[in-house]
Amino acid sequence: SQQGEEDPQALSIQEGENATMNCSYKTSINNLQWYRQNSGRGLVHLILIRSNEREKHSGRLRVTLDTSKKSSSLLITASRAADTASYFCATVPYNTDKLIFGTGTRLQVFP
Amino acid sequence: DTGVSQDPRHKITKRGQNVTFRCDPISEHNRLYWYRQTLGQGPEFLTYFQNEAQLEKSRLLSDRFSAERPKGSFSTLEIQRTEQGDSAMYLCASSSPKTGGRYTEAFFGQGTRLTVV
Repeated sequence: SQQGEEDPQALSIQEGENATMNCSYKTSINNLQWYRQNSGRGLVHLILIRSNEREKHSGRLRVTLDTSKKSSSLLITASRAADTASYFCATVPYNTDKLIFGTGTRLQVFP
Repeated sequence: DTGVSQDPRHKITKRGQNVTFRCDPISEHNRLYWYRQTLGQGPEFLTYFQNEAQLEKSRLLSDRFSAERPKGSFSTLEIQRTEQGDSAMYLCASSSPKTGGRYTEAFFGQGTRLTVV
C-alpha cells in the first residue's frame, strides 16, 4: 500500500526555473524523506525532515513539512536538465521502521 | 564498499516457474528492505529485516513470496509459481540506525527487473 499522493504527477519546466512538488500523507509520522529516481534505476536519497522540523535546506533543495495538514513540499531552485527524474516522498510512520512511498512526480527540465 | 548490490539485474521467466533474487546490503547496515515497483508507480513495501529477523511483511506478500536473511547479511527473495502480475522491478534497500536507534536514510540497489511471460 502507499501512504499518499504527490502533486503534480508530471511537471515540465525550463532550465533555470524553480520546480515545486507537493506530497500528502495519511498517518502520523516519525520523519519524511524525498528520493530521486532516474529512469529504470534505483532510488537516491535527497533529504530527510523530522516530524518536529518545519523546513530544511540542502543545496538547491528546500523541503517544508506541515504535520497539521499532513503535507510536505520539495522545491528545487534554478533547475538543470540533469534534474530530470522522478521524485518520491516517503514517510516513516510513527512507531514503525519502514518507508512508505508516494506515487511520485515526474520532472522534465528542458535545456 | 560499492553500495547495495542486487542480482540478477534482469530476469525473464515463464509463468509458473520459481525465481530467486539476491540482495547484498552495505556491509555495516543491519536493516534490509524489499520493495516492488511497477511502471509509473512508487515503490511498494514488501518486507524488512533487522539483522536476521524478519520484522514485518506486507499483506501484498502472498504465500508465494518468501524472503530470508539467514546470517543477517545478504537476503534472498523467492517467488514461487510466478504469475504475469508479478512482473515488476524488485528493489532492495539497506540502512543503519544512527545513535538513538532512529530510522534514517535508505540506500537502494539498482533493482531486479522481472518479466513473467
